[in-house]
Amino acid sequence: QSALTQPASVSGSPGQSITISCSGTRSDVGGYNFVSWFQQYPGKAPKLMIFDVNKRPSGVSDRFSGSKSGSTASLTISGLQAEDEADYFCGSYTSSYSWVFGGGTKLTVL
Amino acid sequence: QVQLQESGPGLVKPSETLSLSCTVSGDSISGSDWTWIRQTPGKRLEWIGCAFDNGVTEYNPSLKSRVTISVDTSKNQFSLNLRSVTAADTAVYFCARYHQRGFDYWGQGNLVTVSS
Repeated sequence: QSALTQPASVSGSPGQSITISCSGTRSDVGGYNFVSWFQQYPGKAPKLMIFDVNKRPSGVSDRFSGSKSGSTASLTISGLQAEDEADYFCGSYTSSYSWVFGGGTKLTVL
Repeated sequence: QVQLQESGPGLVKPSETLSLSCTVSGDSISGSDWTWIRQTPGKRLEWIGCAFDNGVTEYNPSLKSRVTISVDTSKNQFSLNLRSVTAADTAVYFCARYHQRGFDYWGQGNLVTVSS
C-alpha cells in the first residue's frame, strides 16, 4: 500500500487558521471514516489529535478539527499558536485490514 | 493514566531477529488492543501490526512474513519479533494502544539500528 500524500510544509502567523490535506484512495481515506491525525514534537512520540475523521480525544483543544471529502482528509488548526509548531501526520485504516500513514507535514508558526 | 514503555536492544545485526517488549501500566493488557508502529530516519511512519483482545493479530502485508506480535498477560506486556532484519528496518519502534480506532497512548520509542 502507498503512503498517504501530505504537503511537506505549511506555515501561518499566530491567530491565523491553516489546513493540512491528506490524500488517499478509495481503499483507505475514501473508503472508511477511520482517519486519524497526530502531532509530533522532535524526539517525542506522536500524539493523537483527531480520530474517526473529526472526533477529538479528551484534552485536545477545540482549535483542532478534522474533515473529509472523498479521498482527501483535512486537519484545520484555528487561532494558530506558537506551541502548534510541530510535525503532523495523518493515518487511515485500509481495505487490507491495516493502517497507512502520510509522510508528515512540518507546520511553522511565523 | 495509561503508560507504555518499550524495552529491547538498540543494535541488531543483519539477518538476525529484532525483539522488543512493551510494558503497560494503568490498563489491563487483556482488555484492549495493542499495536507496534515504527518511524524511519526519514520520519515516515509505518504500521507494523496489532494484537486484538479477541486473540486475533493483524499485520502489515509488507511485513507479514517476518513479524510476530504476542501478548503476555502475566506480565501485562506485549512483544514484537521481526525476523531477518536489514538496514531498512532501522527505525524508532513505538508501541501504542489501539482504542476506538485511534492510537491513543504511545510509548516513548526505542531506536533500533541494524548494523554489523
